[in-house]
Amino acid sequence: AQSVTQLGSHVSVSEGALVLLRCNYSSSVPPYLFWYVQYPNQGLQLLLKYTSAATLVKGINGFEAEFKKSETSFHLTKPSAHMSDAAEYFCAVTGGSQGNLIFGKGTKLSVKP
Amino acid sequence: DAGITQSPRHKVTETGTPVTLRCHQTENHRYMYWYRQDPGHGLRLIHYSYGVKDTDKGEVSDGYSVSRSKTEDFLLTLESATSSQTSVYFCAIKPGQGAETQYFGPGTRLLVL
Repeated sequence: AQSVTQLGSHVSVSEGALVLLRCNYSSSVPPYLFWYVQYPNQGLQLLLKYTSAATLVKGINGFEAEFKKSETSFHLTKPSAHMSDAAEYFCAVTGGSQGNLIFGKGTKLSVKP
Repeated sequence: DAGITQSPRHKVTETGTPVTLRCHQTENHRYMYWYRQDPGHGLRLIHYSYGVKDTDKGEVSDGYSVSRSKTEDFLLTLESATSSQTSVYFCAIKPGQGAETQYFGPGTRLLVL
């Protein structure tokens, strides 16, 4: 069964610093992978997705993620954090038997001034 | 904006009472999902639907039922609410069988006292 592991339930960075949020997946078939962002008291918004095209995927708000099959990873990065990036981030993989997404437990990003 | 609304957005109820949450979409997508979000668990699938009157159980379906009598509406019912069902509930739609991206509604925050 597919699963997703997000390392670090909380990550704190300074404004302007690199953001790195880690995601590892397990999948028996080539997966589709997603990053969603959730701002406080809001729904989930798609940041970016990997669908077996380019391994480096660019998303909204300056985020990007790189699919590394050998490492079964899909880490999310942003070169320079903004205060507005403070939110919870979820990595997800397709492959639920019902066509659903399998989510990681989420990483809450704090950005210090 | 995927045209998804959820109602109510907030609800407080008492243990043992029935509760119905509504998800409404404006774009006639075939696939709809109900997830619950709990701290430390990410999002977990409750039920899903692949068409009118076609529904099935997800990972955490005990204590929940669903109905879909129209393409645009997917209802989630807690037959007899328990405190363990205090959660944030999200509806999601998927535009097509080959399209893997899911789009989420704004969520319903439910408190069972």
